[in-house]
Amino acid sequence: DTAVSQTPKYLVTQMGNDKSIKCEQNLGHDTMYWYKQDSKKFLKIMFSYNNKELIINETVPNRFSPKSPDKAHLNLHINSLELGDSAVYFCASSQVPGGRQPQHFGDGTRLSIL
Amino acid sequence: DQQVKQNSPSLSVQEGRISILNCDYTNSMFDYFLWYKKYPAEGPTFLISISSIKDKNEDGRFTVFLNKSAKHLSLHIVPSQPGDSAVYFCAASVRNNAGNMLTFGGGTRLMVKP
Repeated sequence: DTAVSQTPKYLVTQMGNDKSIKCEQNLGHDTMYWYKQDSKKFLKIMFSYNNKELIINETVPNRFSPKSPDKAHLNLHINSLELGDSAVYFCASSQVPGGRQPQHFGDGTRLSIL
Repeated sequence: DQQVKQNSPSLSVQEGRISILNCDYTNSMFDYFLWYKKYPAEGPTFLISISSIKDKNEDGRFTVFLNKSAKHLSLHIVPSQPGDSAVYFCAASVRNNAGNMLTFGGGTRLMVKP
C-alpha cells in the first residue's frame, strides 16, 4: 500500500497551460505539504495544510493554488505555466504540523514545460 | 540565502567502511534536525533525527552528531553497504507561529562501492 501517492508521475505540457497534480495519503495524518525540488536539487516548502486549513504559504506565486477537499487529499493547481515551473513537485504528510514529526513523501511529479 | 548547506555534492566509500556526511547551518534558531535518504525516482524517506538538547543520536548503523557551537551536524553510517547508495538530505526546523517548517540542504550523493 502506497502511503503518499501523487498523480501523475510525469507531466509534460506547454507554457501557458493550466495543470493539476493530485496527492492522497492513507496514513491518517492531519498535515500535508507541497515541496518543489528545483534544478539545483533543493527541496523547498511551498504550502502546508493542517486539517484542510492553510498554515504555510511560502511566497509562492498566486498562479499556484492548493486545494484540500479533506484531510487525506491535497491537490495543486497551477495556472498559466511558465518555463521556471519545470521541477519535481513532492507531496508529503505528517501526523502533526511541522518538522518535529517525520514527513512521509510521495514519489514526486516531474513537471516539464516546453 | 541557503540556511542549510551540504557542501559535498558527492561522496564515494568502499563497502564496510564508514561514510560521513556533513551539514552546516546558519540559523541559530534551528532546534531540530533530520536526515532523509532518497533513491532515484522516489520521494525522500526519513532516516534519523536529533534535537538540539542532544549531541548524539544513534539508530543501528546510523549515528547523527550535532555540534551546536559550530552549527554543524554529521551523519555516520557504519558499516556502509551498497544499498546505502542514495542522496542524503539534511533538514532543520525552527519553532514559529506558523508551525515548524523544514528547511532542506541540497543533498549529498553517497556511492558505496562493493
